[in-house]
Amino acid sequence: KNEVEQSPQNLTAQEGEFITINCSYSVGISALHWLQQHPGGGIVSLFMLSSGKKKHGRLIATINIQEKHSSLHITASHPRDSAVYICAVGMSGGGADGLTFGKGTHLIIQP
Amino acid sequence: NAGVTQTPKFQVLKTGQSMTLQCAQDMNHEYMSWYRQDPGMGLRLIHYSVGAGITDQGEVPNGYNVSRSTTEDFPLRLLSAAPSQTSVYFCASTRLAGSYEQYFGPGTRLTVT
Repeated sequence: KNEVEQSPQNLTAQEGEFITINCSYSVGISALHWLQQHPGGGIVSLFMLSSGKKKHGRLIATINIQEKHSSLHITASHPRDSAVYICAVGMSGGGADGLTFGKGTHLIIQP
Repeated sequence: NAGVTQTPKFQVLKTGQSMTLQCAQDMNHEYMSWYRQDPGMGLRLIHYSVGAGITDQGEVPNGYNVSRSTTEDFPLRLLSAAPSQTSVYFCASTRLAGSYEQYFGPGTRLTVT
């Protein structure tokens, strides 16, 4: 079973700061997902990575397969980025046999 | 597209009662799954399906049944509810090829008293 660890568990920052959330996993994977969950519960997919780096707006996700590590960066953070960010890994077919999740990073961006 | 829909949004059950949580998707996704989310823990996989007629157990399947008679629907049945099943339940779907982007339903908050 893959173990997924996220750090930090909680992060409070000021608006405009550069944010980094880390994810490490114990066993080789086929894909890693970054998800966002706002208060109220809805879960939205941000990125799916199998190698390299992806960028979407102010969000950047990177993965190092050899190091079994991924990072999610938020540039020019804004209060609307406040949410729980969840890392999840899939062992095969991007998660066709289910994903294993980290416990999440609770991010608060203060104005 | 409605995406992934779940009903009900909230439910209170007494210990021993049974019920079915409904999940449907209109994106023709082969893969569907059920997760539960508990405070202080990551989401955990209950059951999943890679197509109509095919289901398999995840990490925490005890006390739950599933079936997949159509591509669109993947109901989760609680046979005899227990307080330990108090949780928020999420259904998700994705394609088995391509981007593997996960689509989640809005969740069902279940309380068992």
